[in-house]
Amino acid sequence: GAGVSQSPSNKVTEKGKDVELRCDPISGHTALYWYRQSLGQGLEFLIYFQGNSAPDKSGLPSDRFSAERTGGSVSTLTIQRTQQEDSAVYLCASSLDRALGHEQYFGPGTRLTVT
Amino acid sequence: AQKVTQAQTEISVVEKEDVTLDCVYETRDTTYYLFWYKQPPSGELVFLIRRNSFDEQNEISGRYSWNFQKSTSSFNFTITASQVVDSAVYFCALSAAGGFKTIFGAGTRLFVKA
Repeated sequence: GAGVSQSPSNKVTEKGKDVELRCDPISGHTALYWYRQSLGQGLEFLIYFQGNSAPDKSGLPSDRFSAERTGGSVSTLTIQRTQQEDSAVYLCASSLDRALGHEQYFGPGTRLTVT
Repeated sequence: AQKVTQAQTEISVVEKEDVTLDCVYETRDTTYYLFWYKQPPSGELVFLIRRNSFDEQNEISGRYSWNFQKSTSSFNFTITASQVVDSAVYFCALSAAGGFKTIFGAGTRLFVKA
């Protein structure tokens, strides 16, 4: 069956430009997570969605970062006025239901390079 | 505050050796979940196991086994008779029932040499 998909797989952008990263979770999964993984580092939590709402946005590093989820499915992470420190792999994950501590299924990630 | 510590940054073993990856966690919640994930060189994280805080039974799955000890706040992962395909970064993670975040450790990179 289809897993979590993310697009684009790679994105190179100039400093100051805006970028949009897309995540398509597994069908039927109500919980969706965004993480950032810098080179050789662990996963940094960014934001979590339950359905279309985001009860926890505490991980977003600055107000240049925003995310939305529509129809309880696809999510978009937007980074405005990108900076070089935004360069990282952005991972999306989905799970069946957050409340029951379900495991997360991860997408392949979007590698963002800001030049 | 919740925290996951994987003190071993990198481990290198020769094929067929046993290896244990350490994970120590901190949480004030009494209900929580612990996870291990594997990130092979291809990059995609794969779920390996979940334990909840009320189940301290150790688990074995093939060459993999997990030792959960609440007394030491540890959830260690052992690979028996390691194989080259086990080479990956392994992440331990904690999710508390009252919150939404899953906190990941920094990961342990395992190299298994033929």
